[in-house]
Amino acid sequence: AQTVTQSQPEMSVQEAETVTLSCTYDTSESDYYLFWYKQPPSRQMILVIRQEAYKQQNATENRFSVNFQKAAKSFSLKISDSQLGDAAMYFCAYRRGGSQGNLIFGKGTKLSVKP
Amino acid sequence: KAGVTQTPRYLIKTRGQQVTLSCSPISGHRSVSWYQQTPGQGLQFLFEYFSETQRNKGNFPGRFSGRQFSNSRSEMNVSTLELGDSALYLCASRDSPMNTEAFFGQGTRLTVV
Repeated sequence: AQTVTQSQPEMSVQEAETVTLSCTYDTSESDYYLFWYKQPPSRQMILVIRQEAYKQQNATENRFSVNFQKAAKSFSLKISDSQLGDAAMYFCAYRRGGSQGNLIFGKGTKLSVKP
Repeated sequence: KAGVTQTPRYLIKTRGQQVTLSCSPISGHRSVSWYQQTPGQGLQFLFEYFSETQRNKGNFPGRFSGRQFSNSRSEMNVSTLELGDSALYLCASRDSPMNTEAFFGQGTRLTVV
């Protein structure tokens, strides 16, 4: 069975600084996708960034980028120039390829941003 | 374009009762998935519907059921509520099961007393 592990329950970063959230996963599949979702106090899960396993290039979305290490099964999220609005729960998620895959989430990391 | 709409936003029920939650996906989206979020177990997949058919099911007891209507709106039902069913129930929609990007609603907070 696939699993997703986030080893940092809480993280804190100073505004304008950079922070990295860790995520490891376990799978025997070769076709899969990895995601980082943000859940602010409003509770709505918002997709931050997505990585296809077959792509070697790390995904980037503005201030958000990932370090995808396929052999190590590691998928970390780097947030640059942190803003107060980045404060939220961040969830790493895995989905196998094909039409039957559902999202498998890690336990989440609560990110605080200090002004 | 309206997002995923879940109703009601909050619900308080008594142990033993049953409850029905509703999810209206983004217009044009035909795939709807449900997730349960609790502090202890985190986010867990309940089931997915596409074109009124359940395509995938998580590891939950039979008290949890769902359905999807021809307009893609989905409902989930929990019968014989237990205290442990207290959770945030999230719905996500995709235009098809092959699409990897899922859009979530704001959830329904269910409290069982």
